[in-house]
Amino acid sequence: DGGITQSPKYLFRKEGQNVTLSCEQNLNHDAMYWYRQDPGQGLRLIYYSQIVNDFQKGDIAEGYSVSREKKESFPLTVTSAQKNPTAFYLCASSISLAGRTDTQYFGPGTRLTVL
Amino acid sequence: GNSVTQMEGPVTLSEEAFLTINCTYTATGYPSLFWYVQYPGEGLQLLLKATKADDKGSNKGFEATYRKETTSFHLEKGSVQVSDSAVYFCALRGWDSSYKLIFGSGTRLLVRP
Repeated sequence: DGGITQSPKYLFRKEGQNVTLSCEQNLNHDAMYWYRQDPGQGLRLIYYSQIVNDFQKGDIAEGYSVSREKKESFPLTVTSAQKNPTAFYLCASSISLAGRTDTQYFGPGTRLTVL
Repeated sequence: GNSVTQMEGPVTLSEEAFLTINCTYTATGYPSLFWYVQYPGEGLQLLLKATKADDKGSNKGFEATYRKETTSFHLEKGSVQVSDSAVYFCALRGWDSSYKLIFGSGTRLLVRP
């Protein structure tokens, strides 16, 4: 089955730790995205990538970092510089970045909690 | 800039009732419009989409029509089921080269037996 997988489903972080969230897709999509969701709110874009070895900051990139070494993988690191990291993190992908009608497909999410 | 406004929730309905969730948008040109659904503890699933004025998206009994004259994309279903209980997000993707999906804040639907 084609789709997007995220791991782990739940993640607990101590203050001062960096943690990495995994996102893998087998849809052969060029573009990938990371969003953050807080309770009762819509999604906010953290980072996006349109091709291997290229990525750009979204609206709330501070305290986060990404890499795109393979087309199918787009891991997100939440660093200790992120002041309020407790949230639900969603990875998405689409055929291309620029396609106005392209659908973004989402993974199941990772819930990060800071202890 | 582009924006999406959804009606506040929660919306509570009895099974088999008619559903409307309002969504209006602000955007230049001809954005693409989407409805996503999120079940508890899960990611977002595309419910339907429309990419030009007067298009009607439909899926699983849900419908929404792209109304450019009223800048709206209201979600409707004729007879809701308990299994439709979820959070529904309206979103747009701009006419310009913008990569972003702009989301509304979501509307929680609770359907009672």
